[in-house]
Amino acid sequence: AQTVTQSQPEMSVQEAETVTLSCTYDTSESDYYLFWYKQPPSRQMILVIRQEAYKQQNATENRFSVNFQKAAKSFSLKISDSQLGDAAMYFCAYRSEGAQKLVFGQGTRLTINP
Amino acid sequence: DGGITQSPKYLFRKEGQNVTLSCEQNLNHDAMYWYRQDPGQGLRLIYYSQIVNDFQKGDIAEGYSVSREKKESFPLTVTSAQKNPTAFYLCASALRTGNQPQHFGDGTRLSIL
Repeated sequence: AQTVTQSQPEMSVQEAETVTLSCTYDTSESDYYLFWYKQPPSRQMILVIRQEAYKQQNATENRFSVNFQKAAKSFSLKISDSQLGDAAMYFCAYRSEGAQKLVFGQGTRLTINP
Repeated sequence: DGGITQSPKYLFRKEGQNVTLSCEQNLNHDAMYWYRQDPGQGLRLIYYSQIVNDFQKGDIAEGYSVSREKKESFPLTVTSAQKNPTAFYLCASALRTGNQPQHFGDGTRLSIL
């Protein structure tokens, strides 16, 4: 079974600085998708960024980018120019090609210090 | 605007009581999902449905039941057989094909009286 591990329960960063959240996963499959979701205090899950495993180019969405290392099974999220509104729980998630199920990591709580 | 509506936002259950959580979407998505979130943990899949009148168990289906009579609706019933129902419940939906991400509702917090 696939597993997703986020080894940093909590992270903090100064406003306007850059922070990287780690995620590793375990799978024997070659085709899959990876996601980062943000859960602010309102508890809604918001999609931040996604990556297809067959794409070598790292996904980027404005201030958010990923470092996808397929061989190492690593999928880290970099947040540039951190803003107070970025404070939230961040979850890494995995989905196999053709599967419906998302497998989530335990989450990383990100605090932004003004 | 299209989206996913979960109701109620807060729900209380008495011992031995069944309760139903509502999830409605107007995104015309084929697939719908129910997840449970416990404090300090990620989401775990309870049930999912890819088409009307069909659904499959997820990782923690015991003590829960669902129905999918309409494409827009996927209610979750927490039965009295679920001995530890206190949690945050999230509903999600997605297009069935391709790499489409799941979109989530705002969640329901269920507590035991």
